[in-house]
Amino acid sequence: EDQVTQSPEALRLQEGESSSLNCSYTVSGLRGLFWYRQDPGKGPEFLFTLYSAGEEKEKERLKATLTKKESFLHITAPKPEDSATYLCAVQAWMDSSYKLIFGSGTRLLVRP
Amino acid sequence: EPEVTQTPSHQVTQMGQEVILRCVPISNHLYFYWYRQILGQKVEFLVSFYNNEISEKSEIFDDQFSVERPDGSNFTLKIRSTKLEDSAMYFCASSALQGLNTEAFFGQGTRLTVV
Repeated sequence: EDQVTQSPEALRLQEGESSSLNCSYTVSGLRGLFWYRQDPGKGPEFLFTLYSAGEEKEKERLKATLTKKESFLHITAPKPEDSATYLCAVQAWMDSSYKLIFGSGTRLLVRP
Repeated sequence: EPEVTQTPSHQVTQMGQEVILRCVPISNHLYFYWYRQILGQKVEFLVSFYNNEISEKSEIFDDQFSVERPDGSNFTLKIRSTKLEDSAMYFCASSALQGLNTEAFFGQGTRLTVV
């Protein structure tokens, strides 16, 4: 069964304390992997798309990497405003069409 | 900055009633989507729409659901006879590029509460 698993479920960091979030997936026919940020009561905000193993993308304090089985979202020197839920989603070929499968997310809290 | 807008932000309805959730996608986008997120659960794909027809739908999107783009700007999701389990946040999204969910931009969501 195709799955997307994110870990940890929740992460508390001190401001400036770098860390990584993990997204592991078991899907066939991977087309792309997406990272989104979601603030409480709001819609997902697009961050990155990764298409092939070895690919990396950066945006401010965030850097996303992709291997054949997982993706990492590295957060360098986070600030309180980085507090949010980070969602990983995989686009895969399923049942004769492409589907987007979301993970459960990692709730990040950055304390000042 | 262009954005996807959804109305209403919160809708309360009685079980069995019909509801219509409205979305205005980003103006030059061609692909439109609906997702839902039950409280505390994952974001789930419902349907995608391109060229005035459904291009993909999930098993959640049964005969109670329908989508429409009535006037070239609005994109609506109709639930014909709501059930308690339809209570969730519903997100509309749109993308410019070809392909499911490529750089999709999401609206703020409509919180649907079925009582």
